[in-house]
Amino acid sequence: DAGVIQSPRHEVTEMGQEVTLRCKPISGHDYLFWYRQTMMRGLELLIYFNNNVPIDDSGMPEDRFSAKMPNASFSTLKIQPSEPRDSAVYFCASSLSGSLNTEAFFGQGTRLTVV
Amino acid sequence: GQQLNQSPQSMFIQEGEDVSMNCTSSSIFNTWLWYKQDPGEGPVLLIALYKAGELTSNGRLTAQFGITRKDSFLNISASIPSDVGIYFCAGREASGAGSYQLTFGKGTKLSVIP
Repeated sequence: DAGVIQSPRHEVTEMGQEVTLRCKPISGHDYLFWYRQTMMRGLELLIYFNNNVPIDDSGMPEDRFSAKMPNASFSTLKIQPSEPRDSAVYFCASSLSGSLNTEAFFGQGTRLTVV
Repeated sequence: GQQLNQSPQSMFIQEGEDVSMNCTSSSIFNTWLWYKQDPGEGPVLLIALYKAGELTSNGRLTAQFGITRKDSFLNISASIPSDVGIYFCAGREASGAGSYQLTFGKGTKLSVIP
């Protein structure tokens, strides 16, 4: 299995531009999570999906952030308009529901820099 | 939201020494996970714990799910240079909605001096 695949690995954009981050979860996993990691705040959960449906988006910082999961193998996190304080590493993770084996497996992340 | 207290924040040790780090929470958890993150990479799962009192090993790593269900520790024996990285604990609360949502500690940054 290829694991969770994120793209791009690095993104540099100007303030005000739209940014779209992409994620392909592990095949068969029914949970998908978007996290943001910064030095100050560590790993923060932004939103998660179960069977393509958003379950909890309380971690999404502002209306500028939106996430979609149109099918079981693809999700996007969009920031519009982007701001310098959005600079962080964004991780996607997926997991399989059940009484065991509920560990989240992470992608390699997208390092976003907004200038 | 729920916070995990992970300590220490950082450690400098000599190669060959043993390492111990721990996490505590104010809530009861039904799952404790330990991850390692290398620079420029995503966290990688090391050990998963699902029962209070459970002691699990993965090579030189050993982790335990505390009996109170509010803490966990990770030990690394005979450290080597490739153990360098940031170690995160993560837990899942025992109750309520969002039961698949993980809460992460702030991490323990481990440096190993050859």
